[in-house]
Order: sequence, then structure tokens, then C-alpha cells
Amino acid sequence: PVLIQSPSASASLGASVNLTCSLSGEHSGYAVAWHQQRPPKAPRYLVKIDGDGGHTLGDGIPDRFSGSSSGAERFLTISRLQSEDEADYYCQTWGRGIVFGGGTKLSVL
Amino acid sequence: EVQLVESGGGWVQPGGSLRLSCAASGFTFNNYAMTWVRQVPGKGLEWIASISDNGATTWYTDSVKGRFTISRDNSNNSLNLQMNSLGVDDTAIYFCAKVAEVVVVTWATDFWGQGTLVTVS
Repeated sequence: PVLIQSPSASASLGASVNLTCSLSGEHSGYAVAWHQQRPPKAPRYLVKIDGDGGHTLGDGIPDRFSGSSSGAERFLTISRLQSEDEADYYCQTWGRGIVFGGGTKLSVL
Repeated sequence: EVQLVESGGGWVQPGGSLRLSCAASGFTFNNYAMTWVRQVPGKGLEWIASISDNGATTWYTDSVKGRFTISRDNSNNSLNLQMNSLGVDDTAIYFCAKVAEVVVVTWATDFWGQGTLVTVS
């Protein structure tokens, strides 16, 4: 599968933002995981989103983070944005090996 | 607390070799598949290799097949990556990561090490 992410997104402090990860057509039922990375730190697992839209948060991840699904798209929603949410966000799935999206740089205004 | 600590990075000339290790703790290591992912500074994440929980099965991205070997020592809770015939394009930060599921379905990685920098020049 191929994962497509917008290169950048922005939202205001305290607002909500939806980041989108689009799966290539024939893989539209695949689960996706989302990771946050604040350079130069390591990625941090946030949530796994199943093809049916069910989602599982990672350990210690606040419930401001949530996931959902619609067709071939997997969404990461961040509510009540904080300055510390400014980071790169990557989606991940599996095909012939683990596949990552190109990442979305989120700016918190 | 799950901890993954990589070591072994450094500078190497093109054509050289390097062996990375990842020391795991805080979970039952031999129950989980493991993965190596790399990142050129300022760029995105790239999957390199994965290994099953018992080490019997390995998977590689095409660009490292035949040059890199992933292995694990379940008696010592360690993951390794032997890298041979290194080229400048292998310069990156290398992360080890734990696969979330005991029975692997999605290969989501739920814990990451801090990374170790490999410079080939």
C-alpha cells in the first residue's frame, strides 16, 4: 500500500485539527497507526485505527488524541491543541513490509 | 516501563560495516516481533527490516537486501542489525521499535528507541 499525507497543516491553540492519511485504493481496509515526532526526538506511538474505524490509544496518550476512519482515509484528530502538539505526524501500515506516509508537519498558531 | 536503547552507531567509510544493537527491557522480549526504521535527518521515516518473535522469519526493504542482516538474541533481550557494504545513502538515524501485537496483524510499532546516528562518508 501507499500512504498519502498532506505535507503540512496548521491550527490555532485550543482548537481541533484533523490530520488525514489516505490509503491506496486496493488497500482501503487496512489498519493504520499514527506516530508523533518532535525533532530531534524519537517517534512516539499515538493510536492505531482499524479499517472499521475502531481505534486504540497508546499507553499514556491523552484522550485529546483520537482516530477515525472513512473509506480509505484514516484520521488523527487532536482536540484542544497545545503548543507541545507542534510536531511531525506519520501514519504507518503494512504491506510488503512496513510502510510510512511522508509525514505532516503540524504548526500550532 | 518499556525501554529500547540503541548503540553501535558512528562514522564509517563507504563500503564499510557497522553492527547496531538494541537493548530491550520492560516487556517479554521473546513475545514480540521487532523492527528497524531509519530516518535521514530532516526527512521521513523509512522501514528497514523486521524480525519475528522467535527470529525465524525476517523481512527487508529492497534497498538493504543482501547487505543488512537483522537478528535477535532472546536470551539477552537484544536486537541487532549487521550492516555491510554501506553507502552514503545509508547515512541516517537508526531506530529500533517494538511491534505492538503479540499476534501480529497490523505491524503497528508501539515503542521506539532514541535512535543511533550512522554516518557514511
